[in-house]
Amino acid sequence: QKEVEQDPGPLSVPEGAIVSLNCTYSNSAFQYFMWYRQYSRKGPELLMYTYSSGNKEDGRFTAQVDKSSKYISLFIRDSQPSDSATYLCAVTNNAGGTSYGKLTFGQGTILTVHP
Amino acid sequence: DGGITQSPKYLFRKEGQNVTLSCEQNLNHDAMYWYRQDPGQGLRLIYYSQIVNDFQKGDIAEGYSVSREKKESFPLTVTSAQKNPTAFYLCASSALPQSPLHFGNGTRLTVT
Repeated sequence: QKEVEQDPGPLSVPEGAIVSLNCTYSNSAFQYFMWYRQYSRKGPELLMYTYSSGNKEDGRFTAQVDKSSKYISLFIRDSQPSDSATYLCAVTNNAGGTSYGKLTFGQGTILTVHP
Repeated sequence: DGGITQSPKYLFRKEGQNVTLSCEQNLNHDAMYWYRQDPGQGLRLIYYSQIVNDFQKGDIAEGYSVSREKKESFPLTVTSAQKNPTAFYLCASSALPQSPLHFGNGTRLTVT
């Protein structure tokens, strides 16, 4: 079993739709949770960063973490064609040693928002 | 502007040749990382470095080597021992271990 599983998609939605992207993880030691957006032929860019259960909102984006279920989600409201990209979830813990700074990524979900 | 510069954007090599990918950052970050991205597999960690002159193997280090002689630079060499080197390579940096990563725009390596 992979440490982080992400719904692979691809996902195609009409402009204005609410998008839900999801990941599950297996290791309860993971305490930091991130969502990255990656446009084609570009590096990932950070969208959301959180370290606690609950919701974190930034504009049209909401990150949700449920540590009891080991489940993280990203919601995009009023989706736009410019949101078309690959979305990657990532997790890490705060242990030192060999886990220092290592992120574990999901496989990525390709999202297309059509006008 | 602060950021991470990876060069070149596209790289083509013949099988059996070593090739070095460049990564430079001007963010004054201590930690730097190399990831490999293959379709449907997310990002996998090759090597990382917390400070100058020190680096650690990641999950898929076999067939790769790195150096960290300067804080700003973390070049990756893909050796002929890497069995499947064709991939998209991403360099990243972070200020602190749990801080989010800042990524470069990658180098796409094709080996034939």
